[in-house]
Amino acid sequence: AQRVTQPEKLLSVFKGAPVELKCNYSYSGSPELFWYVQYSRQRLQLLLRHISRESIKGFTADLNKGETSFHLKKPFAQEEDSAMYYCALLDNFNKFYFGSGTKLNVKP
Amino acid sequence: DVKVTQSSRYLVKRTGEKVFLECVQDMDHENMFWYRQDPGLGLRLIYFSYDVKMKEKGDIPEGYSVSREKKERFSLILESASTNQTSMYLCASSLSGPMRPQHFGDGTRLSIL
Repeated sequence: AQRVTQPEKLLSVFKGAPVELKCNYSYSGSPELFWYVQYSRQRLQLLLRHISRESIKGFTADLNKGETSFHLKKPFAQEEDSAMYYCALLDNFNKFYFGSGTKLNVKP
Repeated sequence: DVKVTQSSRYLVKRTGEKVFLECVQDMDHENMFWYRQDPGLGLRLIYFSYDVKMKEKGDIPEGYSVSREKKERFSLILESASTNQTSMYLCASSLSGPMRPQHFGDGTRLSIL
């Protein structure tokens, strides 16, 4: 069963515009959610996790259990934000489930 | 800083060959994972291991096997490579416990001719 859904394959915005990358999940237990980012020719790396409620590179993500969502947001996109973004869920057995990814393209 | 090292960045093999992809991590992580990454499909889990000599099938284990003889090393084996196994393969490791993130290697781009 699909546990993590990222409905947008590609998201294009202009520099300075707000951006929201959507992530919805399906899990009966208490979810642990992450956002990972992969810049061109670089390894996949952790961007942020829901438990720390932190802002990394201007990005935030709030876990909404009612809507089963963990959308990634940034108020003002920068060209260097262009990358592939993956939402991931960690289950109670140390197994990760990744969404299919959203490619963010920030245009000058 | 966690280091996950995959033995090859690029690999070209022929159909029917037995292919070994190696992954080593240096942070004493219990869990190790193998994924393949394909456009539009994201990361799909092939196998993972939560301890030495322990393994569990992921979502797409067919045509693959794994070996974990030592805690730091996790090998992915393509028993008889086929062209539909051409892909980017990612290795990752993590500690057990809540909110422990995965750490990824650079990936191996494998082409089967």
